Amino acid sequence: RKEVEQDPGPFNVPEGATVAFNCTYSNSASQSFFWYRQDCRKEPKLLMSVYSSGNEDGRFTAQLNRASQYISLLIRDSKLSDSATYLCVVRTRGSQGNLIFGKGTKLSVKP
Amino acid sequence: GAVVSQHPSRVICKSGTSVKIECRSLDFQATTMFWYRQFPKQSLMLMATSNEGSKATYEQGVEKDKFLINHASLTLSTLTVTSAHPEDSSFYICSASPGGRGSPLHFGNGTRLTVT
Repeated sequence: RKEVEQDPGPFNVPEGATVAFNCTYSNSASQSFFWYRQDCRKEPKLLMSVYSSGNEDGRFTAQLNRASQYISLLIRDSKLSDSATYLCVVRTRGSQGNLIFGKGTKLSVKP
Repeated sequence: GAVVSQHPSRVICKSGTSVKIECRSLDFQATTMFWYRQFPKQSLMLMATSNEGSKATYEQGVEKDKFLINHASLTLSTLTVTSAHPEDSSFYICSASPGGRGSPLHFGNGTRLTVT
């Protein structure tokens, strides 16, 4: 089983749609969870951290279910500029520990 | 916010030459930096962990004599690709964290290496 698994997509959605991405991780000792966004041929950029209580940042909502080892990202009212690859990321060792990346889910928002 | 600077952003070199990539943390000190490589349509893969003042830790399958890492100060790590081959052509990205529990990693803007 891969350490971090994501549906690769692509997800092709119209502007204004709501889209949800899912991610599972295998290491129950994982400590920190993030969603990163990566545009084509660019470095990943932090989108948001994910907390057990769930957190929201504007149109983006992230959820963590530790019991199921499952992370989700919900994007409401999709914009063209949301088109990118969304990476589910897990840290397993302390604050300086390495991040484990999923392969990413590609989102394409169409007019 | 935390900023990581990477240089150069793009380099084209001939087979057999060496290329040095620099990674700097601009507004924080980083005892640890990470070097990743990403091939087209693949996920980021950790190559090595750079430790200030000590030897780097390499991931399985990464040749330490080919990918030389030097972390001489708390704000600078360098990756040197020695005797580059076309199969080394890839996107190399460094990252570092300001530290603190749960703090995310911040990435440099990456270096696209093309070996001809």
